[in-house]
Amino acid sequence: AQSVSQHNHHVILSEAASLELGCNYSYGGTVNLFWYVQYPGQHLQLLLKYFSGDPLVKGIKGFEAEFIKSKFSFNLRKPSVQWSDTAEYFCAVNAIYNQGGKLIFGQGTELSVKP
Amino acid sequence: DADVTQTPRNRITKTGKRIMLECSQTKGHDRMYWYRQDPGLGLRLIYYSFDVKDINKGEISDGYSVSRQAQAKFSLSLESAIPNQTALYFCATSDFSAPNTGELFFGEGSRLTVL
Repeated sequence: AQSVSQHNHHVILSEAASLELGCNYSYGGTVNLFWYVQYPGQHLQLLLKYFSGDPLVKGIKGFEAEFIKSKFSFNLRKPSVQWSDTAEYFCAVNAIYNQGGKLIFGQGTELSVKP
Repeated sequence: DADVTQTPRNRITKTGKRIMLECSQTKGHDRMYWYRQDPGLGLRLIYYSFDVKDINKGEISDGYSVSRQAQAKFSLSLESAIPNQTALYFCATSDFSAPNTGELFFGEGSRLTVL
């Protein structure tokens, strides 16, 4: 079965530090890739998505992610985090034509940013 | 008003009770989903529906049932609740008018506690 793996369960950073959250998936075909963010007490919101084209995708709030097909990875980055980035981040994959349109989520990475 | 509305937002119940979580959407999407979120496990798909006459089991459907009453309404039932069904439940919708985009739009969640 297809799966999505997020390497870091809890990351603690100081403000202005750089962020990289890892995400790998197991499906070998064409995929759509997503990062969602869940701020404390809130529902999931889309941060960015990749469908095709430029593998470097820019999202909201200064986040970006790079799709590396050969590594089955879609890592999330931000050059300088802020306290307001404290949240849980979920990577998700839609394996086109194979999953029936279902989105498979990783386990989530909790990010804590110290002021 | 939220595009995807879940009721109730919080519920505490006892083992063996029947519980229904309701979801309604104003986005006009055909596809609706129920996920549960547990710490360290991310989001796991319970059931999904691609239209009113289509219901499909997700990865963790045991102990749950669903009903798609209309295009805009998708309810989740726990026939006899048990403590390990204590979780945060999310309803989501998606629109596949574009080719297989997979992007989900989430409700604000229903926190269920089973004592």
